[in-house]
Amino acid sequence: SQQGEEDPQALSIQEGENATMNCSYKTSINNLQWYRQNSGRGLVHLILIRSNEREKHSGRLRVTLDTSKKSSSLLITASRAADTASYFCATFLNQAGTALIFGKGTTLSVSS
Amino acid sequence: NAGVTQTPKFRVLKTGQSMTLLCAQDMNHEYMYWYRQDPGMGLRLIHYSVGEGTTAKGEVPDGYNVSRLKKQNFLLGLESAAPSQTSVYFCASSYSGLAGEVGIQYFGAGTRLSVL
Repeated sequence: SQQGEEDPQALSIQEGENATMNCSYKTSINNLQWYRQNSGRGLVHLILIRSNEREKHSGRLRVTLDTSKKSSSLLITASRAADTASYFCATFLNQAGTALIFGKGTTLSVSS
Repeated sequence: NAGVTQTPKFRVLKTGQSMTLLCAQDMNHEYMYWYRQDPGMGLRLIHYSVGEGTTAKGEVPDGYNVSRLKKQNFLLGLESAAPSQTSVYFCASSYSGLAGEVGIQYFGAGTRLSVL
């Protein structure tokens, strides 16, 4: 499988704590994306980081990318109960880069 | 703004029956995708299309066919449904980047299919 793989599979934290999720991938990419899925809903895009970027911020989200290690991480700071969801990284299916494939995701539970 | 619309939302089939899932997008996106999501498996790409009249296989294409006769629509067909095709199906669309790469994907709400 060429899937990106998220780690850990599940994460439980308290409100106010930070949550870090990691993603490893196999194909060469020119961008990597992170998505969020609330239970029973479709995926929603969170952030896109290009291969020439090492770090990107969006609100309480911070994404890093290390193309030499083929890995990325998503940090959610000051977590809230509303952040409870599954988080997926998405990478290219192949060198053409015209399709995304997803890992199995990290399920984040934030308790108040 | 409708975005990506999937029909139907729910469906129950008997083994061997056929059906078509419809995906429609109103964002003028070139690229469209069909995924399935099973518990513990994440999303897996079934088929995709990079333009009207073109389709390509994804990670798990067997047992499915697709057609993209109009830019805004992407149809997923099951010719002879099997219990292993019980899943939640998601459609997505995307613009193409400067180098033709996939951009941000916009997802529909999903179709829950049960095959008995």
